[in-house]
Order: sequence, then structure tokens, then C-alpha cells
Amino acid sequence: AQTVTQSQPEMSVQEAETVTLSCTYDTSESDYYLFWYKQPPSRQMILVIRQEAYKQQNATENRFSVNFQKAAKSFSLKISDSQLGDAAMYFCARFGNEKLTFGTGTRLTIIP
Amino acid sequence: EAGVVQSPRYKIIEKKQPVAFWCNPISGHNTLYWYRQNLGQGPELLIRYENEEAVDDSQLPKDRFSAERLKGVDSTLKIQPAELGDSAVYLCASSSIGGEKLFFGSGTQLSVL
Repeated sequence: AQTVTQSQPEMSVQEAETVTLSCTYDTSESDYYLFWYKQPPSRQMILVIRQEAYKQQNATENRFSVNFQKAAKSFSLKISDSQLGDAAMYFCARFGNEKLTFGTGTRLTIIP
Repeated sequence: EAGVVQSPRYKIIEKKQPVAFWCNPISGHNTLYWYRQNLGQGPELLIRYENEEAVDDSQLPKDRFSAERLKGVDSTLKIQPAELGDSAVYLCASSSIGGEKLFFGSGTQLSVL
């Protein structure tokens, strides 16, 4: 099975500080996409950031950026200037073979 | 534009009872997914539709689960009979065909007592 691994079940960060969430994945494909989704208590999966595997440049969306290391199959999410509204479950996911495979998630707590 | 709509939001049933979940995807999205999310886990794919056709149902427990997508739009996921282990959040998502961006609904939280 082609898996996605998030080794940090929980993380916490002080408001306004920076935090990095880790993700590794397994794939036999050369063309795929990687995502970070945020899931607040409302349960809806909200797309945070998307990376195309064939692009070397790391994706950035405002305060969110990724460190994509294709050879190492690593895809970490950096959140800068953390805000209280960033508190949620964060899921790393890989799109390949027409489906999205998720990791087990990291619960992020923001400390005021 | 409306997003993916799911109902009901919550459902509590006793074991061995049937239950059904409904999903209305984003207009124009031909691909529809049903995922199950157990407590403390990431979502896992149950079934994927391209229009009316179930193109990937390898993870659907077919002895008790069934799904349909009539006319290639709305979809219904059914469990009959429900077991205690079916307690989970059932998420529906849609995308354009071949599209890698999935849009999710708010899910149905099922509790089987």
C-alpha cells in the first residue's frame, strides 16, 4: 500500500510563532500531487496548500509554505505567524491513481 | 456557488438498523468520492464514481454497504445492517474528472449504539 505518514500526533505553538508539521509518503508514481488539508471541529476538510510533484519550487500560500523534498519523499508544512484560528487537525495527503490518500493527522494547538 | 452538501449532519442508530447518507456534489463535478473517517484517523476511500459508474469500490465492504449515484449527480451511501464498528464520520467529496482538487462536504457523523 502506498502510505502517507505523519509522525506528530500533536503539536503546539505560541501565537505569532512559527511551527512545522512533518509528512512523509510512499509512492511508485512520478507524477502526483501533495496536499495539506485543515479540519476544524466543523469536520469540513479545507485545502491549505497544494504541491505538484514535477515542480521543484516549493508552494506558498500567504502564511503557509511547504518544504518539498522529492528524493526523500518528504513534504512538511510551515505555518508562520500562527493565529488562534489555525488551531485544527492538519492532514497531509497524496493524490495518485485517481484518489487521495491521507495521513493520520496532526492536532495543532495555538497557545495564546 | 454552493459547495458539497451532505445530510444528515448527525445520525444515531441502534446496531442492526439501516442507515443512509446523502450527498449533492458541486455542480459540474463528474467525480464523486465517499470517504470514512474513524476517530483519530485520516479519511479512507470507500468508493469513487465517475458520472454514474463506480470505478473504484475495492474498499467498500460489500456485504453491508451499498452506494448509488443515479443520473451522475446526487449519491446515496447505505449501510444495512449497521454494526458498532461503523461509527465514524462519512465524508463526501467531488472534483472534475481527472481533477486532483477534491472539495469536501461537512460529513455525516454516525453513532451506532
